[in-house]
Amino acid sequence: GAVVSQHPSRVICKSGTSVKIECRSLDFQATTMFWYRQFPKQSLMLMATSNEGSKATYEQGVEKDKFLINHASLTLSTLTVTSAHPEDSSFYICSARGEGRVTEAFFGQGTRLTVV
Amino acid sequence: GQNIDQPTEMTATEGAIVQINCTYQTSGFNGLFWYQQHAGEAPTFLSYNVLDGLEEKGRFSSFLSRSKGYSYLLLKELQMKDSASYLCASGGYSSASKIIFGSGTRLSIRP
Repeated sequence: GAVVSQHPSRVICKSGTSVKIECRSLDFQATTMFWYRQFPKQSLMLMATSNEGSKATYEQGVEKDKFLINHASLTLSTLTVTSAHPEDSSFYICSARGEGRVTEAFFGQGTRLTVV
Repeated sequence: GQNIDQPTEMTATEGAIVQINCTYQTSGFNGLFWYQQHAGEAPTFLSYNVLDGLEEKGRFSSFLSRSKGYSYLLLKELQMKDSASYLCASGGYSSASKIIFGSGTRLSIRP
C-alpha cells in the first residue's frame, strides 16, 4: 500500500510555543490531505481538509487561527499548533487521498503532542 | 449532518466469529469504510462498500445495506492480534471527499 509519513511521532512543548507537524505522501501525489485529532479511547475527529495550493476547509468548531494548515505541494501538508496550551495535548493524525487511489485514505503514523 | 453509531465495546473468544454493526445517517452518502486501529497507532484500511451486499476479503467481510443505513464487519477465526478498535466511516470515493468516522468499537479477544 501507499506510504504516508508523519513527523514527529512524539513532541513535548512548553505552553505558549508553536509546534509544526509534517505529513508527507512518499509514493503518490496527495491531492487532498486530512487532519484528525484523537482523544484517548475516542474516535478520530476531522479537523480540516486541505487541497494542494488552496486554503484549508475547517470543520465547525475548529479554530483556523490556532491550527494552521498548509498544503504547499502534492506530497506535503503541515499542521502548526500555535500558542499551544495543555488542552491541545492529543494524538494528531494526517491522512491522504490521491487521484487514481479512489477509495482508501492512507494514514500517517500519528503525532502524540504533549503541552506542559 | 452525519451520525454514525457503533457499539462501544465488544468481547469475543479466540477462534470464534464476531459481527460489529454500524448504523449511519448521512447526507449525500457515497460509501462506507471500515478501518482497524491498534492502540497508539494509525488506522489501517480494511474495506470499502459502495454497493449493497457482502464483500469478503480473507477472514474479514463487510456488508452494506444503503436502504437501511446499516453495515457490519464480520471477523472469522478470531486471533488475539485482532484485539483493536474497529472504525466505521462514511465517505465518497473521490479523492476530495472527506471521511467521517464513527465512535469506534473496541474489540477484546480472550483465549
